[in-house]
Amino acid sequence: AQSVTQLGSHVSVSEGALVLLRCNYSSSVPPYLFWYVQYPNQGLQLLLKYTSAATLVKGINGFEAEFKKSETSFHLTKPSAHMSDAAEYFCAVTPNNNAGNMLTFGGGTRLMVKP
Amino acid sequence: SQTIHQWPATLVQPVGSPLSLECTVEGTSNPNLYWYRQAAGRGLQLLFYSVGIGQISSEVPQNLSASRPQDRQFILSSKKLLLSDSGFYLCAWSVSPGRRETQYFGPGTRLLVL
Repeated sequence: AQSVTQLGSHVSVSEGALVLLRCNYSSSVPPYLFWYVQYPNQGLQLLLKYTSAATLVKGINGFEAEFKKSETSFHLTKPSAHMSDAAEYFCAVTPNNNAGNMLTFGGGTRLMVKP
Repeated sequence: SQTIHQWPATLVQPVGSPLSLECTVEGTSNPNLYWYRQAAGRGLQLLFYSVGIGQISSEVPQNLSASRPQDRQFILSSKKLLLSDSGFYLCAWSVSPGRRETQYFGPGTRLLVL
């Protein structure tokens, strides 16, 4: 079974500072990987996804993530945090078989941005 | 463009009462549909998914059931709510069951069982 680990349930950065949200997956075959963002009391919005094309994936709102097979990681970064980035972020994977696109989510990381 | 609706947005129900949450998708045909629950401190859990009318797969045995009476309608139900059913319920859709397909989420329904 696949699993996703997001290190740090809460991350706090200052406005303008680098954002780094960590995601590691466990899989014998590289899965497809997704990052979603959830603003308070809202549904999830796709930030970006990796589907075995370029390892550096650019998403919306200035976010990007790099797939590193050797480290089984898909960390999310943004060079300069904005107050509007405060939200919860979820990393997710789909299974490496033909069972469809059932997403397995990490536990989420709540990003706080200080002025 | 496609949109996904969920209602109600918020619901407070007593223990033992029935439940019906509705999800509808516009702008697409034959979507894959999903119900997730987000409980405090427990992340997102897939409850049900459907690849077509009347076709429901359950991921976790529980007090809930799902139905898909129409192509773009997905309903989550319970005959008798438990306290543990409280949470944020999210509906999602995707174009197909392919692994690279994005799932698009609705705005969610917050359920509080008292």
